[in-house]
Amino acid sequence: GQNIDQPTEMTATEGAIVQINCTYQTSGFNGLFWYQQHAGEAPTFLSYNVLDGLEEKGRFSSFLSRSKGYSYLLLKELQMKDSASYLCAVYKAAGNKLTFGGGTRVLVKP
Amino acid sequence: GAVVSQHPSRVICKSGTSVKIECRSLDFQATTMFWYRQFPKQSLMLMATSNEGSKATYEQGVEKDKFLINHASLTLSTLTVTSAHPEDSSFYICSARDGRITEAFFGQGTRLTVV
Repeated sequence: GQNIDQPTEMTATEGAIVQINCTYQTSGFNGLFWYQQHAGEAPTFLSYNVLDGLEEKGRFSSFLSRSKGYSYLLLKELQMKDSASYLCAVYKAAGNKLTFGGGTRVLVKP
Repeated sequence: GAVVSQHPSRVICKSGTSVKIECRSLDFQATTMFWYRQFPKQSLMLMATSNEGSKATYEQGVEKDKFLINHASLTLSTLTVTSAHPEDSSFYICSARDGRITEAFFGQGTRLTVV
């Protein structure tokens, strides 16, 4: 089976930086996704890591360490519109499955 | 990115009736479609994975006779909630994957309310 853990909630101030951690234990691993989801809407793709290291994409960066079963999503220069849930998801090619963690609700305050 | 269209976006039905939700990939062929269920303030729970032309693989605890999934073509999958009950009220989301790339694209979701 798969165990994917992320904090339930985080609060940060507009303009600041927030790091959302995700740890996973899985019997197979073929990549890790981060998605953003606003309330009542479908998730939207943010990033995909399959190799160790940092992937930077504008204000958002994602890091992966496969040996540690660990990833983080870094949000810089926070804006009010970044208030949303952030979901990490592990992809396993065997069985063709994308399994989500519980999601982290980020609240950005003025 | 690719477009996945899910319909309807909202549906209210009476207890005991059946509801069909459609998921279409508009500009690519979806070899695999995933169906998720999401309760308020919770994450997406995978219900089943379907590959075109074959039977869906259901996750543990998901009743396959209650949640009927059909993936008859490379652009369409349907989820039918049979004999719906109020506890089936939830947000249902599909995602579709092109066999050539890893990313799965999501539909807009369907808010089902059973009264």
